[in-house]
Amino acid sequence: DTAVSQTPKYLVTQMGNDKSIKCEQNLGHDTMYWYKQDSKKFLKIMFSYNNKELIINETVPNRFSPKSPDKAHLNLHINSLELGDSAVYFCASSQDTIGYEQFFGPGTRLTVL
Amino acid sequence: DQQVKQNSPSLSVQEGRISILNCDYTNSMFDYFLWYKKYPAEGPTFLISISSIKDKNEDGRFTVFLNKSAKHLSLHIVPSQPGDSAVYFCAASVSGTYKYIFGTGTRLKVLA
Repeated sequence: DTAVSQTPKYLVTQMGNDKSIKCEQNLGHDTMYWYKQDSKKFLKIMFSYNNKELIINETVPNRFSPKSPDKAHLNLHINSLELGDSAVYFCASSQDTIGYEQFFGPGTRLTVL
Repeated sequence: DQQVKQNSPSLSVQEGRISILNCDYTNSMFDYFLWYKKYPAEGPTFLISISSIKDKNEDGRFTVFLNKSAKHLSLHIVPSQPGDSAVYFCAASVSGTYKYIFGTGTRLKVLA
């Protein structure tokens, strides 16, 4: 039973394309997150949703748009992909916000050519 | 401005000995701290946490120590095992901000 799953695991695409990464959690958690791990291995929060409501929106380009159709899903859509978007993107969930551990998905390695 | 720092990018320890991983932070408002372990091609997995009202938390072979005056926390693994070889991240948060700030990680290698 996969707790937090992401698809696809690998994504290779050309500059200028639009792509989506999907995330699903079956833990019944209320809060979901998107993180970006860049080439320097920094793991930085991008977005967080609590009960389908956006609660964290870091300084991320408008080309990135999260969508939470329900509490169990948080998808990430990226428009007009750039070389600098190449990174590993992790989805995570937690029972609530602070004070609870986060469960991470396996990551999606995005390569923009 | 990196608020959470792990200044040792890597650490090697003999099996059976103690591993000590360090983490420093700059924001005195942080009041909740976690350690995660990450294997290659996998997401981070939660190890242990500590609230700022405590200075120590123990779970089996893992103990986290918090020194608020020094803005420093450490993770002790005793005894270290080869399966502990992974990248370890510390993370910190301020109540009410809804987000965790992660360090850059320390790669631990436990030698058999």
